[in-house]
Amino acid sequence: NAGVTQTPKFQVLKTGQSMTLQCAQDMNHNSMYWYRQDPGMGLRLIYYSASEGTTDKGEVPNGYNVSRLNKREFSLRLESAAPSQTSVYFCASSDEFQETQYFGPGTRLLVL
Amino acid sequence: GIQVEQSPPDLILQEGANSTLRCNFSDSVNNLQWFHQNPWGQLINLFYIPSGTKQNGRLSATTVATERYSLLYISSSQTTDSGVYFCAFSGNTPLVFGKGTRLSVIA
Repeated sequence: NAGVTQTPKFQVLKTGQSMTLQCAQDMNHNSMYWYRQDPGMGLRLIYYSASEGTTDKGEVPNGYNVSRLNKREFSLRLESAAPSQTSVYFCASSDEFQETQYFGPGTRLLVL
Repeated sequence: GIQVEQSPPDLILQEGANSTLRCNFSDSVNNLQWFHQNPWGQLINLFYIPSGTKQNGRLSATTVATERYSLLYISSSQTTDSGVYFCAFSGNTPLVFGKGTRLSVIA
């Protein structure tokens, strides 16, 4: 079991470029989440998918879109990257919504 | 909105010492989790504990829902316990994370 995997591990973008962060889990979990972590802060929820076929906004959704591609995969897209989106992005999953969450290794994104 | 406050913000311990980390939350709790982020950034779930007490080795946690706080106890600390400890809480909304307690254990 790989658990939760994320790609890429590190990315540098120029302002205005777009990219998609990929997340996959092999634990047959129903719920998946995207967080961002900024220095000195806790994690803030961007979007979540309580179950396959549903997505909902979290605390900081502006500038992002998500797709729950299937039960395993949940992607996060930045359409036009801004320096304020420089952060570490974590994907997580849980068996049911709000239950014990398991995190991926993170993607470190730098927007210049 | 929902508030999650953790204390202390920073803690330095000698190896072998015990510590207590606190998490206060502002609303009725449905869900409370404790996480450890190691110095390499990996996040590990320690406890899912909306109420009561749980123990896992040298770690234990207690949530007193009626008084809106949770405690994480670390006994006989080791250098591998270093990192940031987060609590995350939800009432009827998705989890909200505190800003964490940064623990440094010195040999």
